[in-house]
Amino acid sequence: EAQVTQNPRYLITVTGKKLTVTCSQNMNHEYMSWYRQDPGLGLRQIYYSMNVEVTDKGDVPEGYKVSRKEKRNFPLILESPSPNQTSLYFCASSFMPGQGDTEAFFGQGTRLTVV
Amino acid sequence: AQSVTQLDSHVSVSEGTPVLLRCNYSSSYSPSLFWYVQHPNKGLQLLLKYTSAATLVKGINGFEAEFKKSETSFHLTKPSAHMSDAAEYFCVVSDRVGTGRRALTFGSGTRLQVQP
Repeated sequence: EAQVTQNPRYLITVTGKKLTVTCSQNMNHEYMSWYRQDPGLGLRQIYYSMNVEVTDKGDVPEGYKVSRKEKRNFPLILESPSPNQTSLYFCASSFMPGQGDTEAFFGQGTRLTVV
Repeated sequence: AQSVTQLDSHVSVSEGTPVLLRCNYSSSYSPSLFWYVQHPNKGLQLLLKYTSAATLVKGINGFEAEFKKSETSFHLTKPSAHMSDAAEYFCVVSDRVGTGRRALTFGSGTRLQVQP
């Protein structure tokens, strides 16, 4: 089954304690990205990656890092989480532009609370 | 720059009556447009997509949307609402915003309530 898998689904942490949210896809997609969802703001892109070792900032990258060492995995790293990073996070993957404008596939989401 | 405006944050209908969720967009290029649905505590599921083929697009669960370039609109409709349609709906525009970057810009969402 084609899917994007995120872990964990729920996470409560304290300010400053480093954490990683994992994302894995099994569709051989080149393009992966992270979004955060906040009430009234829809989804905003944090980081994206066009292929292995190729990453770039989205619209709201401050306080986040990513890596793309393998095609299927795209972890999101919060080196020093702060309460304003409390949000619902989604990982998405798709084929690259120019290969047909196919839709993005989303993970189930990770609800992060930073206290 | 591209943007998406969902004109209603909440829509309430009675079961069996029509649904209309409104979306307007702006884009510098020829965008692709999508509607996604998010049920409580679930991820986002694609309802339908427009990619410059037929302007009337049919999706899953009886939903459809019409792309109107002159009005820059992509409204979502369904003839008869079902209780299971209660969810949050996002209108999304996909466009190239720079070298290699494909951005999905989301509307702020419309929460659909279906009354029995």
